[in-house]
Amino acid sequence: RKEVEQDPGPFNVPEGATVAFNCTYSNSASQSFFWYRQDCRKEPKLLMSVYSSGNEDGRFTAQLNRASQYISLLIRDSKLSDSATYLCVVRGGNQFYFGTGTSLTVIP
Amino acid sequence: SAVISQKPSRDICQRGTSLTIQCQVDSQVTMMFWYRQQPGQSLTLIATANQGSEATYESGFVIDKFPISRPNLTFSTLTVSNMSPEDSSIYLCSVATGIRLNTEAFFGQGTRLTVV
Repeated sequence: RKEVEQDPGPFNVPEGATVAFNCTYSNSASQSFFWYRQDCRKEPKLLMSVYSSGNEDGRFTAQLNRASQYISLLIRDSKLSDSATYLCVVRGGNQFYFGTGTSLTVIP
Repeated sequence: SAVISQKPSRDICQRGTSLTIQCQVDSQVTMMFWYRQQPGQSLTLIATANQGSEATYESGFVIDKFPISRPNLTFSTLTVSNMSPEDSSIYLCSVATGIRLNTEAFFGQGTRLTVV
């Protein structure tokens, strides 16, 4: 079983739409959680950390449910520039575990 | 944060040869990792580079094929040895700047390797 599982998509949504990605992780002892964004032919970059209480950064909201071992990312009012692959990342000890990524395309 | 310089950014190599990829960080970091990313796939950890000692390899990766050096806290190299077309991939250097558990990982720009 993979450490981190994500729906690979692709998600194709119109501009202005709200889209949600979910991710599950297998190790209940996992300690830190992140969403990364990866543009085509670029390296992954941190989008936001995910805190137990949930956190928001502009149009982006991340939530963590430890009991169910899942993490979510909500993007409101989608922009064309949001088109990318979104990676769910879980840290356990000194290792980072990556989901396969969810591909998002925002359509004009 | 950390700024990572990874070189080369891309290369085309003949099968049977070796390529060494360099990763230079602008500050001392506790953890350095090497990943491989196949097209359309997620990142696969090759190994954790340990300063002053042998790297810790993940299942499926061996030192003879992917020797790693880490002479200090700001620099590491990954060599892809005796290359075959199956080694064509993107190789990424990654660092974590602290041992605090909420510290995120930073990535170099990647090395796009094509073996012909």
